[in-house]
Amino acid sequence: EAGVTQSPRYAVLQEGQAVSFWCDPISGHDTLYWYQQPRDQGPQLLVYFRDEAVIDNSQLPSDRFSAVRPKGTNSTLKIQSAKQGDTATYLCASSLWVNYAEQFFGPGTRLTVL
Amino acid sequence: GQQVQQSPASLVLQEGENAELQCNFSTSLNSMQWFYQRPEGSLVSLFYNPSGTKQSGRLTSTTVIKERRSSLHISSSQITDSGTYLCAMELSGSFNKLTFGAGTRLAVCP
Repeated sequence: EAGVTQSPRYAVLQEGQAVSFWCDPISGHDTLYWYQQPRDQGPQLLVYFRDEAVIDNSQLPSDRFSAVRPKGTNSTLKIQSAKQGDTATYLCASSLWVNYAEQFFGPGTRLTVL
Repeated sequence: GQQVQQSPASLVLQEGENAELQCNFSTSLNSMQWFYQRPEGSLVSLFYNPSGTKQSGRLTSTTVIKERRSSLHISSSQITDSGTYLCAMELSGSFNKLTFGAGTRLAVCP
């Protein structure tokens, strides 16, 4: 069974540029999560979906970040006008929508904003 | 304050030594997971362990819900165990939302 896949694996931008990250969850998983992991910190949840619906995006910097999952399968996280403080690894995870769900993570996208 | 605290922040072992990594949480929780993060960044789930003790090879996880703590024991460490170990909690009242600790960075030397 294929795991969670993400692309690209690496991205390097100048401040002010835009970037999109793509995630394909495990087949059959209805819940998808996006995390941001700054260097030397644990991952922090940005947003998560059940099917195509946003369940919680309270930690998403809404002025520059957006996330969609239009068909309830793949998802895209976009950063408009990136800042140096956005430098981090962006991780996607998926799970079933059940109590005490185990989450499975993709390889991540390592973003550097110069 | 921080809801999930991991200790130690970093650890250096000689190959063959044992290690005990700790995770403490300040509020009640529904479940927790231990992850290993490879140097290139990918996360591997080690244990999904709502409570009690689980073992997988040289790794043992013990979670005591009512004491709000979990530990990961690594026996007979190997160089390939080097990396970051993260614990993550699903806190009560936060359905399916994981809160991570900052991690323990382990280096195993020959």
